[in-house]
Amino acid sequence: AQSVTQPDIHITVSEGASLELRCNYSYGATPYLFWYVQSPGQGLQLLLKYFSGDTLVQGIKGFEAEFKRSQSSFNLRKPSVHWSDAAEYFCAVGAGTALIFGKGTTLSVSS
Amino acid sequence: SAVISQKPSRDICQRGTSLTIQCQVDSQVTMMFWYRQQPGQSLTLIATANQGSEATYESGFVIDKFPISRPNLTFSTLTVSNMSPEDSSIYLCSVLGTGGAGIEAFFGQGTRLTVV
Repeated sequence: AQSVTQPDIHITVSEGASLELRCNYSYGATPYLFWYVQSPGQGLQLLLKYFSGDTLVQGIKGFEAEFKRSQSSFNLRKPSVHWSDAAEYFCAVGAGTALIFGKGTTLSVSS
Repeated sequence: SAVISQKPSRDICQRGTSLTIQCQVDSQVTMMFWYRQQPGQSLTLIATANQGSEATYESGFVIDKFPISRPNLTFSTLTVSNMSPEDSSIYLCSVLGTGGAGIEAFFGQGTRLTVV
């Protein structure tokens, strides 16, 4: 069955520190992979996506993610976190149909 | 890309009543998707709406509770019937489109439903 696992429910990072949010997926074919961010009371915003090619993809707001097929992972990273990055982050997988979302990781940023 | 307009943006409803949510897309799309996001939770797919056929519901969701219409390639409605407080959620409409390289999912701003 297709599924997405985000192992970390809540992460707190100091402002200026690096960030890595984990995402593991289970999918029968080559997946399309996505990271979305949702700020409180806001809609979903696409950070980045992977379809094929270079396994390191760059997104908006300084985020990047690396696709590792051997580990079925698509972890999101940012070298220096800003207070405005505090939000809910969702990893999703799909391939031409509805996306399947992970349960999300809440990011808190401490000063 | 696709721009999705969803109405209403929010509503407070009495238990036992029904609410119909509208989703309008600025381009023709084959499939439209309805999701539910319960408070503090992730997005769960309710159903896939194809024009000209009945919607396909995911496990745990039934047509009597969440009837869907898809009269044309740019519009769909989701009705939440006989509401209870447990139906308080954000309901989102989504379509697939081309965004940059490859396929991307586009979402409406959502309908925040509170049932009292």
